[in-house]
Amino acid sequence: QKEVEQNSGPLSVPEGAIASLNCTYSDRGSQSFFWYRQYSGKSPELIMFIYSNGDKEDGRFTAQLNKASQYVSLLIRDSQPSDSATYLCAVNRLDSNYQLIWGAGTKLIIKP
Amino acid sequence: ETGVTQTPRHLVMGMTNKKSLKCEQHLGHNAMYWYKQSAKKPLELMFVYSLEERVENNSVPSRFSPECPNSSHLFLHLHTLQPEDSALYLCASSQDLRGGEDTQYFGPGTRLTVL
Repeated sequence: QKEVEQNSGPLSVPEGAIASLNCTYSDRGSQSFFWYRQYSGKSPELIMFIYSNGDKEDGRFTAQLNKASQYVSLLIRDSQPSDSATYLCAVNRLDSNYQLIWGAGTKLIIKP
Repeated sequence: ETGVTQTPRHLVMGMTNKKSLKCEQHLGHNAMYWYKQSAKKPLELMFVYSLEERVENNSVPSRFSPECPNSSHLFLHLHTLQPEDSALYLCASSQDLRGGEDTQYFGPGTRLTVL
C-alpha cells in the first residue's frame, strides 16, 4: 500500500481556471506536508508547506489540510501555462526525524 | 554560485566504468541528501549526511558509495552500475535534520544513463 498517493494525471485545466491537486497519506500522525513543483527535466522546488488543519494561502496558491480525512490539497487560482508541471506531495515520516515520504506526482497541463 | 549545484548535468557510462557525481551547497546548511528519481516513481532517498556524518543508508547497493568531506560538498561514487540504475540523481540540502521543519532544497540533478 502506497503511503502517499497522488493521481498521476495528466490533469488538464483551461487557462484562468482553478487547478485542484490532491494527495492522501497513510500515517495518521504526520505533522508536516509539502508541495513541490517539478518542471520537465528540472529539479523539484518547494511551493508551500502546511502544518495545521485548514487553508494556507500564498499568492495564487492555497494549500488545504484535513488531518481527519488524511488529505492535503493544492489549489492554483488563475492557472497559467507556466504552471504546467508535475506537482509532488511530501509528508514527514513519523519514524524518522528527517525523512519525507513522497508521492509520485500529478502532471498538470494548463491549456491556453 | 547560489543554492545547490550538481555536476555533471548529464552522464553516460558503461557498466564497467567508475564515475563520480558532485554536489555543492552554498546555503550554509548542515544536512545533505542523495535521491534517485525514476520515471513515474516517488523520489527514493539513498543517503543522508548531517555535519559530514552519514545518518542514513536506505539499503542502497554497494555500487553506490557516498562521500561527504565537509558540510558543503557531497559526492556519489559510481562503479559497475546496471542499466536499471539509469535515472535522475538529485542532491538536496536542508538547514538541519528536523523532519518537517526543515525545507529541502534541490540541485538541478544529474541525468545518468548506464549502457
